[in-house]
Amino acid sequence: DQQVKQNSPSLSVQEGRISILNCDYTNSMFDYFLWYKKYPAEGPTFLISISSIKDKNEDGRFTVFLNKSAKHLSLHIVPSQPGDSAVYFCAGGGNEKLTFGTGTRLTIIP
Amino acid sequence: NAGVTQTPKFRILKIGQSMTLQCTQDMNHNYMYWYRQDPGMGLKLIYYSVGAGITDKGEVPNGYNVSRSTTEDFPLRLELAAPSQTSVYFCASSNGGLAGGDEQYFGPGTRLTVT
Repeated sequence: DQQVKQNSPSLSVQEGRISILNCDYTNSMFDYFLWYKKYPAEGPTFLISISSIKDKNEDGRFTVFLNKSAKHLSLHIVPSQPGDSAVYFCAGGGNEKLTFGTGTRLTIIP
Repeated sequence: NAGVTQTPKFRILKIGQSMTLQCTQDMNHNYMYWYRQDPGMGLKLIYYSVGAGITDKGEVPNGYNVSRSTTEDFPLRLELAAPSQTSVYFCASSNGGLAGGDEQYFGPGTRLTVT
């Protein structure tokens, strides 16, 4: 039972344009959602989070949107930069644990 | 601050051998976690700890054991290695757990191959 799904394994975006990464979930008990970024041969690093009681959180170039009725969240990166090329994981949090999606590989084309 | 450190970085084990993956954090975090990541998959929680002396099972605990005798260290033990345990293992820690949406800080990972 995959509680957090990232249906796009990969995404390519032109530098300077907007990158939109999507995530769907099935567990209504998640209290928080987080996005992590991972470079090859490194551990994931935290990007941004959103509480389940909010619908938007913004931090610089990164904005996360949450649609609870659709059980869907998305990460917007504007403008996209070459250093944003990485694998992005969304995760749902509850009961002191995180459940991760399978990741989306974002490639920014110069 | 070193953050979360993991040793070794790489290891090849024969079937049936045992080993301990080491994890240390210097941020005085109460919460520590072990994950495994298989190719093309997300991270799956093996075990976690909410403080010294307290551990609990995650999603995929079979074949592993943990202990938490100090705040800093959270070793993961494989007793009888099996090919299904070939994976990349990540240790993580966080300050307040997920009730407040606290982020987890990850180590660089240990790539384990069992043949």
